[in-house]
Amino acid sequence: NAGVTQTPKFQVLKTGQSMTLQCAQDMNHNSMYWYRQDPGMGLRLIYYSASEGTTDKGEVPNGYNVSRLNKREFSLRLESAAPSQTSVYFCASSRDKSYEQYFGPGTRLTVT
Amino acid sequence: EDKVVQSPLSLVVHEGDTVTLNCSYEVTNFRSLLWYKQEKKAPTFLFMLTSSGIEKKSGRLSSILDKKELFSILNITATQTGDSAIYLCAVEAIRPRLDSGYALNFGKGTSLLVTP
Repeated sequence: NAGVTQTPKFQVLKTGQSMTLQCAQDMNHNSMYWYRQDPGMGLRLIYYSASEGTTDKGEVPNGYNVSRLNKREFSLRLESAAPSQTSVYFCASSRDKSYEQYFGPGTRLTVT
Repeated sequence: EDKVVQSPLSLVVHEGDTVTLNCSYEVTNFRSLLWYKQEKKAPTFLFMLTSSGIEKKSGRLSSILDKKELFSILNITATQTGDSAIYLCAVEAIRPRLDSGYALNFGKGTSLLVTP
């Protein structure tokens, strides 16, 4: 089992460009999450999907959109990247909401 | 506003020492508290605590929750250099301010360095 995989591992964007971060899990989990981690800020929840077909905002959703493509895949889209979105992005999944989460290896995004 | 505060922010100890990491919280409608270990990459799950006073243990690591005083501690005994990491505390709450009433708030972490 690969667990939670994310692509790409690194990305550099210019302000205004768009991109999609991909996440997939092979643990048959119902719930999936996107976080960003910034120095001195800890992990902050951007969006989550409690189950296939549903998505909900977390603490910092502005500037992002998500798609729960199927049970395995949950993507995060930046429509018009801004320097404030420079961060490390983690995807996670859990059996259901309120169970421990398993994290992917992260995507380091730099917006210039 | 929900708060999760970890202390200390960083800690340096010698191999063999015992360390105690703290996590205090203020959240409405508490559901659970989780501890994660983050080395160079992704956080990995350590413990989930939902009931007061019941210690959870895994090898040299243990954790306990006090829901009256609103804190948890993570103990590591006989530390090893492999314990060097950032330890994250997260508190799950159920409340209606979010669309589906779910929130998971992370503290800023405690950075632990164990020296040989």
